[in-house]
Amino acid sequence: GQQVMQIPQYQHVQEGEDFTTYCNSSTTLSNIQWYKQRPGGHPVFLIQLVKSGEVKKQKRLTFQFGEAKKNSSLHITATQTTDVGTYFCAGPSNQFYFGTGTSLTVIP
Amino acid sequence: DSGVTQTPKHLITATGQRVTLRCSPRSGDLSVYWYQQSLDQGLQFLIQYYNGEERAKGNILERFSAQQFPDLHSELNLSSLELGDSALYFCASSPSGNTNEKLFFGSGTQLSVL
Repeated sequence: GQQVMQIPQYQHVQEGEDFTTYCNSSTTLSNIQWYKQRPGGHPVFLIQLVKSGEVKKQKRLTFQFGEAKKNSSLHITATQTTDVGTYFCAGPSNQFYFGTGTSLTVIP
Repeated sequence: DSGVTQTPKHLITATGQRVTLRCSPRSGDLSVYWYQQSLDQGLQFLIQYYNGEERAKGNILERFSAQQFPDLHSELNLSSLELGDSALYFCASSPSGNTNEKLFFGSGTQLSVL
């Protein structure tokens, strides 16, 4: 079946540093979605990328979809303590498969 | 508030028992998804329903079953519970169940099997 892997699994950064998580699929994706789960919370939709090579920005967050539509990345500039949580990518085929997630800790 | 309601929020039970988790999707959403999240684990897709019919099945054990009722609420039944079934179970919904729709998650049911 389809697998969506994310790296790193964990990331600790000092507040103000940048952060990047990478998502890799074993198959070509029709689109990719990103979700954020705060500690003790539930996943919340952040964004969807559809086009090959697409780049979208949300304030300090930059999302990219690879040219081959098999990988994606989320980059956070100048992290803040509010960025803490686990970031998941989701690569739907006939099902909604979520990546393994990257847990971000921001040290004040 | 996502609009997806899950009950109960917490459930503590013993091995060998059976429990039922309930989910009410957002108003107007026809598709419901169930996910299992173990401690420090990702979201494991269990099953998806659309308008009362099973649409997709993931890594759902034979001891688990689900259904979606005419009023579109869904129930996940877990039987012959084992310690390893302890996890956070999420329900999510979307309007049509198409793969280009975002999912709205409920707050989850924390299941503890003792």
